Amino acid sequence: KAGVTQTPRYLIKTRGQQVTLSCSPISGHRSVSWYQQTPGQGLQFLFEYFSETQRNKGNFPGRFSGRQFSNSRSEMNVSTLELGDSALYLCASSPQYSSYNEQFFGPGTRLTVL
Amino acid sequence: DQQVKQNSPSLSVQEGRISILNCDYTNSMFDYFLWYKKYPAEGPTFLISISSIKDKNEDGRFTVFLNKSAKHLSLHIVPSQPGDSAVYFCAASALGGGADGLTFGKGTHLIIQP
Repeated sequence: KAGVTQTPRYLIKTRGQQVTLSCSPISGHRSVSWYQQTPGQGLQFLFEYFSETQRNKGNFPGRFSGRQFSNSRSEMNVSTLELGDSALYLCASSPQYSSYNEQFFGPGTRLTVL
Repeated sequence: DQQVKQNSPSLSVQEGRISILNCDYTNSMFDYFLWYKKYPAEGPTFLISISSIKDKNEDGRFTVFLNKSAKHLSLHIVPSQPGDSAVYFCAASALGGGADGLTFGKGTHLIIQP
């Protein structure tokens, strides 16, 4: 089985712009979670989607949003980028909602905001 | 407010000896705990988990201990091998509450010395 794929792998944007990141889960997995990793804060949960519905949400401003499509692929959008949004964004998929012990992570998208 | 704390940013252990990684949490609603391992340029991979109804879970060389009264868990790796050199993240979830996804610690960089 192919693993979780994330595109693009690297991205450079400037303040004020918006960005969309994409995640393709493992085939058959219906839950997709997104995380932000920064050196200062570690890994922080953004949101989880299951069957096209957002089921959990972390403590992030409304500039961070996401969606899931009927094929379970997910996108994450960040609007009005700030310097502090520079981070590694990780996507993880699992067969069911909140089955974190069966969660598989992708390699991440490295976002740099200038 | 950091709800999951890994107070040792790094740990150096000799090959063949025991590695003990520690994690403390503050949220008494957490009822499920996990350890993830991360190599550079890769996403985290699930290692082992424990439910709050248990105080120990073992899987090969890896054992996780949970002390609920102290709100403390530890991961023991015996014997330590060079391939164990990675960053280890402790994570917690309030599955019973069904919200907020996974809360991660900031990680401990384990270095296994030959």
